[in-house]
Amino acid sequence: DIQMTQSPSTLSASVGDRVTITCRANQSLSSWLAWYQQKPGKAPKLLIFKTSSLEIGVPSRFSGSGSGTEFTLTINSLQPDDFATYYCQQYRTFGQGTKLEIK
Amino acid sequence: QVQLQESGPGLVKPSGTLSLTCTVSGGSISSSNWWTWVRQPPGKGLEWIGEIYHTGSTNYNPSLKSRVTISVDKSKNQFSLKLSSVTAADTAMYFCTRDDSSTFDYWGQGALVTVSS
Repeated sequence: DIQMTQSPSTLSASVGDRVTITCRANQSLSSWLAWYQQKPGKAPKLLIFKTSSLEIGVPSRFSGSGSGTEFTLTINSLQPDDFATYYCQQYRTFGQGTKLEIK
Repeated sequence: QVQLQESGPGLVKPSGTLSLTCTVSGGSISSSNWWTWVRQPPGKGLEWIGEIYHTGSTNYNPSLKSRVTISVDKSKNQFSLKLSSVTAADTAMYFCTRDDSSTFDYWGQGALVTVSS
């Protein structure tokens, strides 16, 4: 079974910072890796699909990269609306989530 | 714009059966997509439950397979989830979502189901 581990589990940052979240798998993944943003009480929102493709309407400060067993989500110039929990997903498996908090 | 909406009881008794329906609007459930259920226990992460294609083909999470049934009603543009023999561990927000090439692009708002007597 695919297992995906996100790091860090919690990330404290300030508005304007650049942050990176990593998703590591226990086996090589296809490029069909996605990233989601979730706010409390809401459904996850698709941000990035196929590793690096930005979903329509998602700000360009979000970007994704990676291959094999390591993938990253980068957010440039954090905005107040970006503080949320982020999940990676490949096929039927989700990472455990990274909570992005205001420092 | 595709929209999904979950509906069903918010409270289920232990050992009972959880039943939820997802109504799809703005698109056809007979499109080339798998329709999926995902759940999230309070304060925890996302868990894939299972999926169905409009032909009726299904795939289930092995950890839940013995208790899960997902069905489709094309005439109503709906798909449904049944989870039997529930316990408190099944208390969660249940989301229906559309799978487009292994990416979940549209989500319902979620339905909180609590298992309690």
